[in-house]
Amino acid sequence: EPEVTQTPSHQVTQMGQEVILRCVPISNHLYFYWYRQILGQKVEFLVSFYNNEISEKSEIFDDQFSVERPDGSNFTLKIRSTKLEDSAMYFCASSIRGLDYGYTFGSGTRLTVV
Amino acid sequence: SQQGEEDPQALSIQEGENATMNCSYKTSINNLQWYRQNSGRGLVHLILIRSNEREKHSGRLRVTLDTSKKSSSLLITASRAADTASYFCATDAAGANSKLTFGKGITLSVRP
Repeated sequence: EPEVTQTPSHQVTQMGQEVILRCVPISNHLYFYWYRQILGQKVEFLVSFYNNEISEKSEIFDDQFSVERPDGSNFTLKIRSTKLEDSAMYFCASSIRGLDYGYTFGSGTRLTVV
Repeated sequence: SQQGEEDPQALSIQEGENATMNCSYKTSINNLQWYRQNSGRGLVHLILIRSNEREKHSGRLRVTLDTSKKSSSLLITASRAADTASYFCATDAAGANSKLTFGKGITLSVRP
């Protein structure tokens, strides 16, 4: 069964450093998303991406965050200058037709900012 | 306002029993989805019910939707130890472009 692949599974970074979280969505999916989950809390929407541009972003997704689809397969989330409160599980998801269909989530990247 | 609030927050049952989990939401929706998350893992899509549907089945899962009460329930019949996980409802608000809003989740423990 097709999967969404995320790398790395765990990243530890120093506060103020830049991190890039990588995702390979399912090949025929057209809609891409990033969500995050702080330990024990809700799954929070960050950003959605369609047709090579951001469709919607949340208040969390400030100027420190950016997304890219640099080639036909990868979908990346960059945090320019990490803060302690950015520590969370970051999930990438993709969907073939957007909200009318379920999302396929990756296994997540656990980001720890120290 | 909170969209997608599940209850109970935690549920513990014996294997073979049925598990019922509820979700309430505040705004009009296009569809409502249920996801499962095993500890430390990603979310797995279980079932989607559209706003014009009232009930949907998938294997041992039954989902109902009552748009007048803005609520949904997920029933897992004949539960198994492997059903132990967190369960989330997620909604897309009508008119919203492209995001799901998740609830806080329900922790289901199925005792063997």
